Amino acid sequence: DTGVSQDPRHKITKRGQNVTFRCDPISEHNRLYWYRQTLGQGPEFLTYFQNEAQLEKSRLLSDRFSAERPKGSFSTLEIQRTEQGDSAMYLCAAEGSGANVLTFGAGSRLTVL
Amino acid sequence: RKEVEQDPGPFNVPEGATVAFNCTYSNSASQSFFWYRQDCRKEPKLLMSVYSSGNEDGRFTAQLNRASQYISLLIRDSKLSDSATYLCVVTRNSGNTPLVFGKGTRLSVIA
Repeated sequence: DTGVSQDPRHKITKRGQNVTFRCDPISEHNRLYWYRQTLGQGPEFLTYFQNEAQLEKSRLLSDRFSAERPKGSFSTLEIQRTEQGDSAMYLCAAEGSGANVLTFGAGSRLTVL
Repeated sequence: RKEVEQDPGPFNVPEGATVAFNCTYSNSASQSFFWYRQDCRKEPKLLMSVYSSGNEDGRFTAQLNRASQYISLLIRDSKLSDSATYLCVVTRNSGNTPLVFGKGTRLSVIA
């Protein structure tokens, strides 16, 4: 139990379909982050929230990507019109006991066929 | 230049060996530094923070050289269970967020 739950763990979809991932931190965390990781690479920052406010978005986050954190608790990441290049592990992280200390969820693995 | 660069690896070492990982970062405004560990097919987990004075946690020692923008991690008396990918992590700017991860260096400790 990592303290951050992600759903679904795996998603296989066809190119052009929309997908949505959900992240639930178990306890209250002010800051919530989304990262993307591909094989052989480190996690790449996508976006983060301070409570319900989305404070920063990476240039990696094209207009097909949208993230929300409507009540400052759980968050969703939606990818519209998926492309094969979107295939990756999408990691959610909550800032934990110390500043800048991130607790990651197990990730949602996306495969776009 | 990448924001965080690490030794490419992989490192294959026998049990009991000492191994060192190096990392450089490009943004002189970075304020906080960490090493994370990622096991195969698992999420990254914090291994240790890196302080200016250097810090040690058991067999692990981390060093920071701000002038050279260089971070290191030393593992002594390697165990089989140390096999993982080690990620060098820095904050992007003086605002301390978000965290920027290096590509990682994979370590395999062999019996």
